[in-house]
Amino acid sequence: QKEVEQDPGPLSVPEGAIVSLNCTYSNSAFQYFMWYRQYSRKGPELLMYTYSSGNKEDGRFTAQVDKSSKYISLFIRDSQPSDSATYLCAMRPGGYQKVTFGIGTKLQVIP
Amino acid sequence: NAGVTQTPKFRVLKTGQSMTLLCAQDMNHEYMYWYRQDPGMGLRLIHYSVGEGTTAKGEVPDGYNVSRLKKQNFLLGLESAAPSQTSVYFCASSPPSGTRDNEQFFGPGTRLTVL
Repeated sequence: QKEVEQDPGPLSVPEGAIVSLNCTYSNSAFQYFMWYRQYSRKGPELLMYTYSSGNKEDGRFTAQVDKSSKYISLFIRDSQPSDSATYLCAMRPGGYQKVTFGIGTKLQVIP
Repeated sequence: NAGVTQTPKFRVLKTGQSMTLLCAQDMNHEYMYWYRQDPGMGLRLIHYSVGEGTTAKGEVPDGYNVSRLKKQNFLLGLESAAPSQTSVYFCASSPPSGTRDNEQFFGPGTRLTVL
């Protein structure tokens, strides 16, 4: 079993829809949770960064962490065609420890 | 600032050939990383460095070597390329542990094909 599980998709939604992307994990030591966005043939770019449990909002994006269920989510409101990309969840324990990435979910927002 | 840059962007090698991938960052980051990304496998850490002159093995280090002679540069070497090393290689850098956020910034990637 992988430490981080993420459905690769693809996920297709109409423009304006609310998108929910999720990851589950097995390592209780994870404390820092990230979401990266990766456009085709580009490097990943950090989208959201959360420490421990709770919600964090940034514009149309909301990151949610439920440590009791070992489950993290990224919500995208009013999705746009420009949101079409692969979304990678990532997480790590405290201090310097290597980051573990999910395999990414490919999202397509159809105009 | 250019951020993280990688050279070259594309390369085709024959089995047994050698090459070096160059990563440079201008953010004065202490930590640097090399990943490979393969379909269905996600990003896997090859080697990393926590400072100039130091390197350490990651998850999939076999067949690769690295050097960090200067703080801003991190080199990834393939001594004898194999078809299994066909992949997209990403370099990343981050501030040191304990620094706010400690997020990783990625380069644009190098697409390597080994025939």
